[in-house]
Amino acid sequence: QITLKESGPTVVKPTQTLTLTCTFSGFSLSTSGVGVGWIRQPPGKALEWLALIYWDDDKRFSPSLKSRLTITKDTSKNHVVLTMTNMDPVDTATYYCVHRQTEKDHRFNNWGQGTLVTVSS
Amino acid sequence: QSVVTQPPSASGTPGQKVTISCSGSRSNIGSNFVYWYQQLPGAAPKLLIYNNDERPSGVPDRFSGSKSGTSASLAISGLRSEDEADYHCATWDDSLTDLVFGGGTKLTVL
Repeated sequence: QITLKESGPTVVKPTQTLTLTCTFSGFSLSTSGVGVGWIRQPPGKALEWLALIYWDDDKRFSPSLKSRLTITKDTSKNHVVLTMTNMDPVDTATYYCVHRQTEKDHRFNNWGQGTLVTVSS
Repeated sequence: QSVVTQPPSASGTPGQKVTISCSGSRSNIGSNFVYWYQQLPGAAPKLLIYNNDERPSGVPDRFSGSKSGTSASLAISGLRSEDEADYHCATWDDSLTDLVFGGGTKLTVL
């Protein structure tokens, strides 16, 4: 059974850097084709893809947010970490960790429960 | 404003068939696979349809996807109360080099 769980602060101040950790089980990020990424959803709004890291350390980012994002993996710990700099109230959202089973298409096979991050002073 | 458009809401009665549309352009739906996600109230999204019309194991065959040109559709037949959820379409956009989601459609079972 594949599970993913997000952890990190629930509140960050404007201009601060957000660091979120995804801890997963049931698959290995060293398996060919596998990826782990992040998607967010502001309250009552649409989903927005942020970033993805593949098994071979290939990294992909949403062009609109690329300058603010970093994504890294620790395969031995089954962790993926997302950092987002210069947080703003418009970044208030539920952040989901997602699993991609194959790099041949763009589906996200499994999702974490999500973590709500509020940006407020 | 998303580059792929969904109606904000849809509704149907139990047993009915409902269709939700996802409209895009040549650079996104016209050139790439479409994915559908179901988001039950208070829950994370779940993959419902991939590669236009494929169902992951465990998804009932009441759910079906299709694509024609620059539009895609999700059909739900034999509507049930537990189908009440938000439904999101997604696809890759070659011009934006970005994965794009529709705005989501809230399905109400009357």
